Amino acid sequence: AQSVTQPDIHITVSEGASLELRCNYSYGATPYLFWYVQSPGQGLQLLLKYFSGDTLVQGIKGFEAEFKRSQSSFNLRKPSVHWSDAAEYFCAVGAGTASKLTFGTGTRLQVTL
Amino acid sequence: EAEVAQSPRYKITEKSQAVAFWCDPISGHATLYWYRQILGQGPELLVQFQDESVVDDSQLPKDRFSAERLKGVDSTLKIQPAELGDSAMYLCASSLVGTGYSGANVLTFGAGSRLTVL
Repeated sequence: AQSVTQPDIHITVSEGASLELRCNYSYGATPYLFWYVQSPGQGLQLLLKYFSGDTLVQGIKGFEAEFKRSQSSFNLRKPSVHWSDAAEYFCAVGAGTASKLTFGTGTRLQVTL
Repeated sequence: EAEVAQSPRYKITEKSQAVAFWCDPISGHATLYWYRQILGQGPELLVQFQDESVVDDSQLPKDRFSAERLKGVDSTLKIQPAELGDSAMYLCASSLVGTGYSGANVLTFGAGSRLTVL
């Protein structure tokens, strides 16, 4: 069965600083990987996804993520954080073919002005 | 942009009462999911439907939870009786893919239903 680890529960960055959120996955085959963002009291919004091909994927709101098979990682990055990026970020892994997604426990991002 | 509709957005109930949540997926989406998200945790799958059939309900507490998707479109998740530990956000998601599709699966989530059990 697949699993996801997000080692950072809470991260604080200054507005304008760069950001990297860590995600490690466990899955026996090539995974499908996702990052979702959740604002307080809201549902999950898809930021980006990796299915195959180029290991550096671009998403919405200026986010990108890099798939590294050797490290079983799919870290999320943003070069310059905005105050509106404060939210909870979830990494998820799927096995394809109408399968469920398995989520990590999330990383809460706080942005200081 | 098409959305997954959920209602109610908020529900407060007393323990031992019955509660129900409704979800209307994006039109044409074959697969529907109910996830439960306890405060401070990631979403966990309760039940997955492919059209009107249950694909996975291994994590659904069947003594008190039930889910149906009678016509393969909208869905209802019921809890009876509610317990204090059921307080959580209940998220519905849908995806376009169906049985036999070999590609990747993108889930679109609704805004969720926040349940508080007193």
